[in-house]
This record gives sequence, C-alpha cells and structure tokens, in this order.
Amino acid sequence: DAGVTQSPTHLIKTRGQQVTLRCSPISGHKSVSWYQQVLGQGPQFIFQYYEKEERGRGNFPDRFSARQFPNYSSELNVNALLLGDSALYLCASSPTPVPPDTQYFGPGTRLTVL
Amino acid sequence: AQSVTQLGSHVSVSEGALVLLRCNYSSSVPPYLFWYVQYPNQGLQLLLKYTSAATLVKGINGFEAEFKKSETSFHLTKPSAHMSDAAEYFCAVSAPGGDYGQNFVFGPGTRLSVLP
Repeated sequence: DAGVTQSPTHLIKTRGQQVTLRCSPISGHKSVSWYQQVLGQGPQFIFQYYEKEERGRGNFPDRFSARQFPNYSSELNVNALLLGDSALYLCASSPTPVPPDTQYFGPGTRLTVL
Repeated sequence: AQSVTQLGSHVSVSEGALVLLRCNYSSSVPPYLFWYVQYPNQGLQLLLKYTSAATLVKGINGFEAEFKKSETSFHLTKPSAHMSDAAEYFCAVSAPGGDYGQNFVFGPGTRLSVLP
C-alpha cells in the first residue's frame, strides 16, 4: 500500500514569495495534519483537517493556511515567506482525528527561503 | 496542556550495548504516548505507542517502552544496539480534549549514535 506522499520534495523560494505544498494521505485515511520541523527540533503542529473541515490550528500566523479536498488530499499555503519559514514540512494522515489513532508521516517537503 | 521533555539531545552507545532514551511528559488527562524514529532526510516512522492496554509496550526493531504513571515517564529501551539504529528519536504525547484535539505534541528529540 502507498504511504503518505508529499510534493515537491525540495523547494527554494525568496522572501516575500508564496508557496503551496501538497499531501496525499494513505488510502482510507480521512484526517490530515501538517507539521513544521525546524532543523534540530521536534515537529510543531500547524493544522489538522478532517472531512474537509479544520479541526485544529497551532500557534502559527495567518500567513499559514490549508485546505482539504473531497479526495482527502490537502494543501498547505504559506504567504509572504520569511527566512524563519525555512524548515521541513511534514504531512501526516490518520483514519480519524480521534485518539489514539496513529499518525503516519510522509517524507516531508524541505523548504528553503533565501 | 501537554508537554514532552527528552533528557539528552545526543546519546552515544557502543554496538551491542543497551539503548535507553528518556521521555517525560505532562498531561492533565490520561495520555497516549508514542515513539517515532526519523532517519536522515526522511519522515517519521512509528516505533511503538501506549494506549493504556499494557504498561510495557513492544515495538518494531526490538524496541520497547514502559509507561510509568507515577514518574510520568515513557522511556525507550533496546537491549542491544545495532549500527542501523543510529537516527533521531522523538517522543510524542496525544490526549483527547487536549490543546489540539488528537494532535501530537513532540519532544525536542534525541539523536542516537552507535559506535562500532
């Protein structure tokens, strides 16, 4: 079975630009979460979506937004990029958003902001 | 609110030696606890999880962890380290009705090095 897939693998942007990251969950999983992992730190929660509805939001500015599509895939958008947005962005899927469902992580998108 | 601390940002062991990675959590409700491993330039892979069914949890690759409520700990162990165990290890806590619903709060991670 295919795992969580993310695209692109790497991305280089300049300050002020906008970026869209994409995620396809494991087949049958309806919940998608996004995390930011800065080098040397643990992942930080950004968003969770379930059945196309936002179920949770972490402590990130409004420059970050996301959505989930009818096929449960998801996009994360970041506007007005800052140098500090450089990180590995991880997508995770789970069957539901209810504990203790395991979250399965994709390989991530490495974003570099110059 | 939930939080996780991992004592020791870097742990080195010799091949064949015991691996012990420490995790302490705080949670106002009974938590679910997870250990993930991250190899260089990869995503996170689940090693094991605690869901209150048993306090000693066995995972993949010979790892296990014991939930100790009195110590608010969930330390990860492996009797004999292999070179392939070298990676970053993250402990995470998830609690129903927590700050972010089902979502995980991760610790800062412990980098495990295995020396030949």
